[in-house]
Amino acid sequence: GDSVTQMEGPVTLSEEAFLTINCTYTATGYPSLFWYVQYPGEGLQLLLKATKADDKGSNKGFEATYRKETTSFHLEKGSVQVSDSAVYFCALSDPRINTDKLIFGTGTRLQVFP
Amino acid sequence: GAGVSQSPRYKVAKRGQDVALRCDPISGHVSLFWYQQALGQGPEFLTYFQNEAQLDKSGLPSDRFFAERPEGSVSTLKIQRTQQEDSAVYLCASSRDLGRVDTQYFGPGTRLTVL
Repeated sequence: GDSVTQMEGPVTLSEEAFLTINCTYTATGYPSLFWYVQYPGEGLQLLLKATKADDKGSNKGFEATYRKETTSFHLEKGSVQVSDSAVYFCALSDPRINTDKLIFGTGTRLQVFP
Repeated sequence: GAGVSQSPRYKVAKRGQDVALRCDPISGHVSLFWYQQALGQGPEFLTYFQNEAQLDKSGLPSDRFFAERPEGSVSTLKIQRTQQEDSAVYLCASSRDLGRVDTQYFGPGTRLTVL
């Protein structure tokens, strides 16, 4: 079945450092890909998404490119802030399935220190 | 504006008790999802409603789990005879459209602890 694998955390960075969180997927079709973020004490919220190969999703300085050839959707940010500290989840949805249910990775905790 | 709300936020149950978890989706959202998130894991799909119809319940772990959305708005997830392995955060999400991938908006979750 479809699945998502993301790098284990925690990822610990100093403010203004470059961030990469790796995400790869396994799917029989052409899924849509998402990054969700969970800030401390808050619910999951969509950070960005891409629905077809070579699409780039971006939001709040974060970017991820849908790479079909490597089945990857790595999250990047050029300069992290303390306020980016959160848990990041990579997810996919198979549009062939009518439910649009999301399949999540296990999450990567990011800690940014001043 | 009002987002997805869930109640209670925390629930402690003794093993064997029944519990009911409520989800109020965003008004007008057609689709509603329930997910289970164990500690340190990503959310896992439980069930999906399109209006009042439960179209997918493939993720429900056992017949002790039951969900309903009788009027196509509020939904309730019921767990009968709770077990310790049911301890998790239960997330509800809603989205506007059917038939295409749309943004799911998540509630804050209900943390269930079974003693």
